[in-house]
Amino acid sequence: GAGVSQSPSNKVTEKGKDVELRCDPISGHTALYWYRQRLGQGLEFLIYFQGNSAPDKSGLPSDRFSAERTGESVSTLTIQRTQQEDSAVYLCASSLEVAGELFFGEGSRLTVL
Amino acid sequence: DAKTTQLTSMDCAEGRAANLPCNHSTISGNEYVYWYRQIHSQGPQYIIHGLKNNETNEMASLIITEDRKSSTLILPHATLRDTAVYYCIVRVPWGGGSNYKLTFGKGTLLTVNP
Repeated sequence: GAGVSQSPSNKVTEKGKDVELRCDPISGHTALYWYRQRLGQGLEFLIYFQGNSAPDKSGLPSDRFSAERTGESVSTLTIQRTQQEDSAVYLCASSLEVAGELFFGEGSRLTVL
Repeated sequence: DAKTTQLTSMDCAEGRAANLPCNHSTISGNEYVYWYRQIHSQGPQYIIHGLKNNETNEMASLIITEDRKSSTLILPHATLRDTAVYYCIVRVPWGGGSNYKLTFGKGTLLTVNP
């Protein structure tokens, strides 16, 4: 597709379950970001992938969070043993290496009961 | 660290110019200023970016002070659909080479009133 695609768009899970969120960036975009946005709050940086460089994981809030990216394509954000405070919209964005303009997906809304 | 400071919120009358300020006093010489906005329940949308010179596109104008410690985003004729959170961001180098990272702050909630 032409834009950044995220799935699922909505996910409801029980506390303690693991969840996987998927991001398909725009083809050719070398940079990929994950952000978290809690209700009524700003964007919280989680992780950044840039080409073949080691990812910047400095924003991951705990070791329950992890992310992978296959080459310069799909990325998966995994949250293990989910907690209620993990409830948020998880946004993925991609960009060309030097242009810097981020293109965002519509997000995956996670609700942990 | 977003390296920027913005107003929490501001109002503007429909049809008037909206001027959104941003402070970035610790910006370095090669760091660009970017503006994005987020309309309720949507992903953020790119607006404009600049380094030293003022910039204009079909959406907005960006005025950067000579010392680059602050900037102003101008929406020349605000409409109700411009109601959104506006984020001012400094693009910082990361990891060497030509890699960069964008870190969002809390943004300014602009409310355009009829």
